[in-house]
Amino acid sequence: GENVEQHPSTLSVQEGDSAVIKCTYSDSASNYFPWYKQELGKRPQLIIDIRSNVGEKKDQRIAVTLNKTAKHFSLHITETQPEDSAVYFCAAVNTDKLIFGTGTRLQVFP
Amino acid sequence: DTEVTQTPKHLVMGMTNKKSLKCEQHMGHRAMYWYKQKAKKPPELMFVYSYEKLSINESVPSRFSPECPNSSLLNLHLHALQPEDSALYLCASSQDPRDSFYEQYFGPGTRLTVT
Repeated sequence: GENVEQHPSTLSVQEGDSAVIKCTYSDSASNYFPWYKQELGKRPQLIIDIRSNVGEKKDQRIAVTLNKTAKHFSLHITETQPEDSAVYFCAAVNTDKLIFGTGTRLQVFP
Repeated sequence: DTEVTQTPKHLVMGMTNKKSLKCEQHMGHRAMYWYKQKAKKPPELMFVYSYEKLSINESVPSRFSPECPNSSLLNLHLHALQPEDSALYLCASSQDPRDSFYEQYFGPGTRLTVT
């Protein structure tokens, strides 16, 4: 089955800096890669996603890149703000299953 | 209405109790999911319902019994749970189980404590 690895597990940045989170997946049949943000005590919420036929997608301060050959994808957050502090999960979707990475706790210090 | 609702928000139950978790969505989604999330861990898939039929059971113990009475409702019946079953139980839904590109919308979860 699919296995998703995520790094780093924790990431601390100064407000205004960029943050990068990286994930690798194992199953080449996976074709959809969403990123979820989960604030403490709240539900996971989709922040950006990318399909396997696209190499990069951007939405304001957030961008995702996908390298299908290497089976890895990354989340880039620019101009970080304290409200970006949360746990971020990458995921890979293969048919009905959403398989999450282990999560990255991002802390943005003012 | 783009929301998945879950009740109750919190539940404390003994190991001999029987209880049920409820999930509801009115977005017309035809795929519904149960996940279990332990502290500082990612959500872990338990069950998938596709057009009101159970399509995936991730080898979940029989003390967890899912039910999908109709296309808007999803229940999780709990019986004879163990303390290690204490976790946040998340429900999710997506538009079309035949298409993996659809976003999964998560409910706020039920925080379950088994004593």
